[in-house]
Amino acid sequence: DTAVSQTPKYLVTQMGNDKSIKCEQNLGHDTMYWYKQDSKKFLKIMFSYNNKELIINETVPNRFSPKSPDKAHLNLHINSLELGDSAVYFCASSPGTGGGQPQHFGDGTRLSIL
Amino acid sequence: EDQVTQSPEALRLQEGESSSLNCSYTVSGLRGLFWYRQDPGKGPEFLFTLYSAGEEKEKERLKATLTKKESFLHITAPKPEDSATYLCAVPTNSGYALNFGKGTSLLVTP
Repeated sequence: DTAVSQTPKYLVTQMGNDKSIKCEQNLGHDTMYWYKQDSKKFLKIMFSYNNKELIINETVPNRFSPKSPDKAHLNLHINSLELGDSAVYFCASSPGTGGGQPQHFGDGTRLSIL
Repeated sequence: EDQVTQSPEALRLQEGESSSLNCSYTVSGLRGLFWYRQDPGKGPEFLFTLYSAGEEKEKERLKATLTKKESFLHITAPKPEDSATYLCAVPTNSGYALNFGKGTSLLVTP
């Protein structure tokens, strides 16, 4: 009955590789997000999608490319991984884009770059 | 510019010792203030939304309150299972995402 699920939970890879993280939500929400949590536990928005369309790209390097095949899925592909990409990446969803909508989070993907 | 500031960064309480966590925000036209709980290795879990000054919400031992400049998360007679990081967030200017504070790490010892 997981509401927002991400795979994989852990991802260990080498610098320069390309990797993808998948996210699915079964809440029927219209809006999905990717957040990055750094080593200091600070959560920061990366992307926001509403009805499969990109509505926020918060100055994220273009090595990061989100894709939303449908409203229930938002995947994150990362090219040419760098050491600084090591972090926990969280997917979230909300019913809409209004500021007062609570967001529901997955359990994160811990990405470690060797 | 920081929109959300949480204090203290860390808090250690004895079981049963009540306390409060603070979240100060600097946004105009607040469209909601959110409290989340995050356990190690997990994603943030939604607790409360507060929309206007004077509003209060409660859940078990937690009570969240809101003024025009800050919110408090009061923890009454905490138990060890309340140990977690508590995050506060407000909508970004665009309204399409949340700006989070850096969190308060709470440890409740038996």
